[in-house]
Amino acid sequence: GENVEQHPSTLSVQEGDSAVIKCTYSDSASNYFPWYKQELGKGPQLIIDIRSNVGEKKDQRIAVTLNKTAKHFSLHITETQPEDSAVYFCAAADNYGQNFVFGPGTRLSVLP
Amino acid sequence: DTEVTQTPKHLVMGMTNKKSLKCEQHMGHRAMYWYKQKAKKPPELMFVYSYEKLSINESVPSRFSPECPNSSLLNLHLHALQPEDSALYLCASSQDGSATEAFFGQGTRLTVV
Repeated sequence: GENVEQHPSTLSVQEGDSAVIKCTYSDSASNYFPWYKQELGKGPQLIIDIRSNVGEKKDQRIAVTLNKTAKHFSLHITETQPEDSAVYFCAAADNYGQNFVFGPGTRLSVLP
Repeated sequence: DTEVTQTPKHLVMGMTNKKSLKCEQHMGHRAMYWYKQKAKKPPELMFVYSYEKLSINESVPSRFSPECPNSSLLNLHLHALQPEDSALYLCASSQDGSATEAFFGQGTRLTVV
């Protein structure tokens, strides 16, 4: 089955700096890669996603890149703000949702 | 309305109790999911309903029993749970069973005593 690794497990950045979180996956059949943000006491919130026919996608301060050959994808957050502090999960799934697997998560702290 | 609503938000139950968790969405999604999340861990898939039929059961113990009365509602019936079942139980929905653009509820924090 699919295995998703995520690094780093914790990340601290100064407000205004950029943050990058990287994930790798094992199943070449995976073709959908969402990123979720989970704040304390809340459910995961989809913040951006990418499909295998696209190499990069951007939404304001958030961007995701995908390298399908190398089986890795990354989340980039620019101009970080304290409200970006949360746990971020990457995930990978195939077209049938049979292998929707989360990475272990990254705890991002943005220091004012 | 892009909301998945879960009730109750918190639940404390004894090991001999029977209780149910409820989940509701009105986005017209035809797939609904139950996940279990332990502290500092990612969500783990338990069940998937696609078009009101159970399509995935990730080898979940029978003390957890899902039910999908209609396309908007998803229940999780709990019976004879163990303390190690204490966790955050998350419901999610997506347009179809492909798990794309899944929306999560806020979860039910379950404590088994």
